[in-house]
Amino acid sequence: LAKTTQPISMDSYEGQEVNITCSHNNIATNDYITWYQQFPSQGPRFIIQGYKTKVTNEVASLFIPADRKSSTLSLPRVSLSDTAVYYCLVQGTYKYIFGTGTRLKVLA
Amino acid sequence: KAGVTQTPRYLIKTRGQQVTLSCSPISGHRSVSWYQQTPGQGLQFLFEYFSETQRNKGNFPGRFSGRQFSNSRSEMNVSTLELGDSALYLCASSPNGGEVDTQYFGPGTRLTVL
Repeated sequence: LAKTTQPISMDSYEGQEVNITCSHNNIATNDYITWYQQFPSQGPRFIIQGYKTKVTNEVASLFIPADRKSSTLSLPRVSLSDTAVYYCLVQGTYKYIFGTGTRLKVLA
Repeated sequence: KAGVTQTPRYLIKTRGQQVTLSCSPISGHRSVSWYQQTPGQGLQFLFEYFSETQRNKGNFPGRFSGRQFSNSRSEMNVSTLELGDSALYLCASSPNGGEVDTQYFGPGTRLTVL
């Protein structure tokens, strides 16, 4: 059974760049990688999605190496409001495997 | 557009009872997926429906079932509730499901089994 793992927790200070990694060794050829943010008592919220190399939007960047066995979510200049749990998702044809989640705490 | 809505938001049941949770997807979305979220197991895929057909099912016992209606609204049912079924149940919708569709999540239904 495919496993998607992440660091359990990370601390960062306001204004710093934060990189959160996800390991997905068994990713299939047609799978995409999506990252979500979740606050307490809310559903996950979409951040970014990619297939390979680098994708950037207004809130984050996603780096995926050539072998696609891992991915890294990069959050530039985090603020206190970025304190949340971050999940990677490997999604394929009718397949959705979430990572174990990384609890990010941003300190003042 | 209105987001994904789930009802009820909170539910308390006792062991052995059954429960039905409801999900209304974003207008125009035809794929609805259900997930169970617990502190120990994280987010686990339950099943996905598209055009009233179940396309995939996660590794859960047969006590967990679902269905989708012609208007894309979906329900999930859990029979013979166990203490371990206490969890946040999340519903997500997307236009067609699949590799590249972004899933949009509802706020979830918090189920407590006593």
